[in-house]
Amino acid sequence: AQSVTQPDIHITVSEGASLELRCNYSYGATPYLFWYVQSPGQGLQLLLKYFSGDTLVQGIKGFEAEFKRSQSSFNLRKPSVHWSDAAEYFCAAGKAAGNKLTFGGGTRVLVKP
Amino acid sequence: EPEVTQTPSHQVTQMGQEVILRCVPISNHLYFYWYRQILGQKVEFLVSFYNNEISEKSEIFDDQFSVERPDGSNFTLKIRSTKLEDSAMYFCASSEAANQETQYFGPGTRLLVL
Repeated sequence: AQSVTQPDIHITVSEGASLELRCNYSYGATPYLFWYVQSPGQGLQLLLKYFSGDTLVQGIKGFEAEFKRSQSSFNLRKPSVHWSDAAEYFCAAGKAAGNKLTFGGGTRVLVKP
Repeated sequence: EPEVTQTPSHQVTQMGQEVILRCVPISNHLYFYWYRQILGQKVEFLVSFYNNEISEKSEIFDDQFSVERPDGSNFTLKIRSTKLEDSAMYFCASSEAANQETQYFGPGTRLLVL
């Protein structure tokens, strides 16, 4: 069965420090991969996506993610976290265009001053 | 920037009542989706819709659920007889034909069934 796993439920990081959120997927073939962010009371905002090609993808708000086929991972990173990055982050995967997305459980990020 | 909108933002209903959740997808998008997130759980796919018919649905999407595109702009999710376990945040999403892979989500409707 297709699945997406985010091993870290909560992460606390100091403002200005780097952030890495882990995501692993289990699919029959390389899926389309996405990271979404959900701020309190808000919907899901797309940060970035990977379909093919360059395995390092850049997104909005200074985020990037790296696809590693050998590890079935698509980890999200940000070099320097801002207080406004406090939110819940979801990794998602889809097997084909127009098909459903399978979401990970989310990682809640808390930013300390 | 165009965005998906949903109404209402919150809805409280009694068990057994019918509810209709409304969504206005991005105007040039042709693929529409509903997802839900029960508090503390993962976001789960419910149904996808294209060309006025359901293209895929999950096992959650039983006979109590239906979707409709009543006009050129709205996309609705109806729950005929709500249960306590239907309490969740419901997200609508849409994607355009040329870039179907990317789904854009609305802010959600929080449904509470009492």
